[in-house]
Amino acid sequence: NAGVTQTPKFRVLKTGQSMTLLCAQDMNHEYMYWYRQDPGMGLRLIHYSVGEGTTAKGEVPDGYNVSRLKKQNFLLGLESAAPSQTSVYFCASSYSNGPQHFGDGTRLSIL
Amino acid sequence: GENVEQHPSTLSVQEGDSAVIKCTYSDSASNYFPWYKQELGKRPQLIIDIRSNVGEKKDQRIAVTLNKTAKHFSLHITETQPEDSAVYFCAASPYSGNTPLVFGKGTRLSVIA
Repeated sequence: NAGVTQTPKFRVLKTGQSMTLLCAQDMNHEYMYWYRQDPGMGLRLIHYSVGEGTTAKGEVPDGYNVSRLKKQNFLLGLESAAPSQTSVYFCASSYSNGPQHFGDGTRLSIL
Repeated sequence: GENVEQHPSTLSVQEGDSAVIKCTYSDSASNYFPWYKQELGKRPQLIIDIRSNVGEKKDQRIAVTLNKTAKHFSLHITETQPEDSAVYFCAASPYSGNTPLVFGKGTRLSVIA
């Protein structure tokens, strides 16, 4: 039982490049979330999903897209990376709206 | 929507003393209040949570209290130890429905040996 697995763990991009962050959970959770964490800003919700095939915007969705084609996977895409998107990205999952289980995070630097 | 305020942003205590972190929330529909601990470079991990039908919950050295009338809840850590040093986040949401957790901005706790 791996819990929530995020790939990659680290990535450096150039401005304008695109990439996809993958989140996988093996707990059969319905809900999945993507957060970004910046110093002094806490955890800010980017997008979330309450079930396979559904997505919704969070607090800071601009510049990101998501997809939930399979219940166990939640993908976060950056179409044209900007330096302001340098951050640590966390994925989480939960049953309903209960306790969230977090992955180890992805450190993303955009030059 | 929900707004969660957390205080203080930093807290230093001597080893063995108690630490208290306070949060307020705005949405009276919120009924689920978890607390997460995040050590440096690690993932946030749930340490305790409380639902609105309970006023207090304890787990060894950690306790959470909830005052629904005043819309605030607090984390209490007794007999602090150096390994308690971390960033702590409170959060609030309606447990049912699709409204996700709203997190406070965190409190950096330093326990000085």
